[in-house]
Amino acid sequence: GAGVSQSPRYKVAKRGQDVALRCDPISGHVSLFWYQQALGQGPEFLTYFQNEAQLDKSGLPSDRFFAERPEGSVSTLKIQRTQQEDSAVYLCASSSLKQGLGQPQHFGDGTRLSIL
Amino acid sequence: DAKTTQPPSMDCAEGRAANLPCNHSTISGNEYVYWYRQIHSQGPQYIIHGLKNNETNEMASLIITEDRKSSTLILPHATLRDTAVYYCIVRAFYNQGGKLIFGQGTELSVKP
Repeated sequence: GAGVSQSPRYKVAKRGQDVALRCDPISGHVSLFWYQQALGQGPEFLTYFQNEAQLDKSGLPSDRFFAERPEGSVSTLKIQRTQQEDSAVYLCASSSLKQGLGQPQHFGDGTRLSIL
Repeated sequence: DAKTTQPPSMDCAEGRAANLPCNHSTISGNEYVYWYRQIHSQGPQYIIHGLKNNETNEMASLIITEDRKSSTLILPHATLRDTAVYYCIVRAFYNQGGKLIFGQGTELSVKP
């Protein structure tokens, strides 16, 4: 399909391990966003890319979280030395224009991360 | 971005119209009202957005009051598949990064 694709769909890791989550945005979408959704809560913003530039990382909870989008398309969210509070669904969204400009964000179905 | 207030839950009979309210009394002139919904185990799905005029698409209608301090999302003929959490979000046209700030939303249960 032509939607936002995220992989893996589910990830289980032991506390202290590093994990990498992948997002394939809709082709041609300039803007890419990562959100974190804890159980029973609404999604919370983590970081934003415009092409390959990370313009806002104000939502990243700690320096253990790192995101990249080196070629302005696929993005990877990496979490180092995972902790139990990192357990959540990680959502990726993309939109077609810079700064949104009123265009809606389209979400993937997320990666459910469980830290044991 | 302005805050929004929504009822935590609502019920609707299948086939009837579902009217979901949202208050955004501090909305400013350059802010749009967006509606998303999230079905269990899926990512949020965009429904509709508007600035000040009423909007309609194949999924829903959005009615915004003249003072823009509140809005209503209308699903004209609700089905069981419309059971989801519905989020009303206010977002500035040019806010940094266009990030969405989600509240708790309204959990809509469509019952047979």
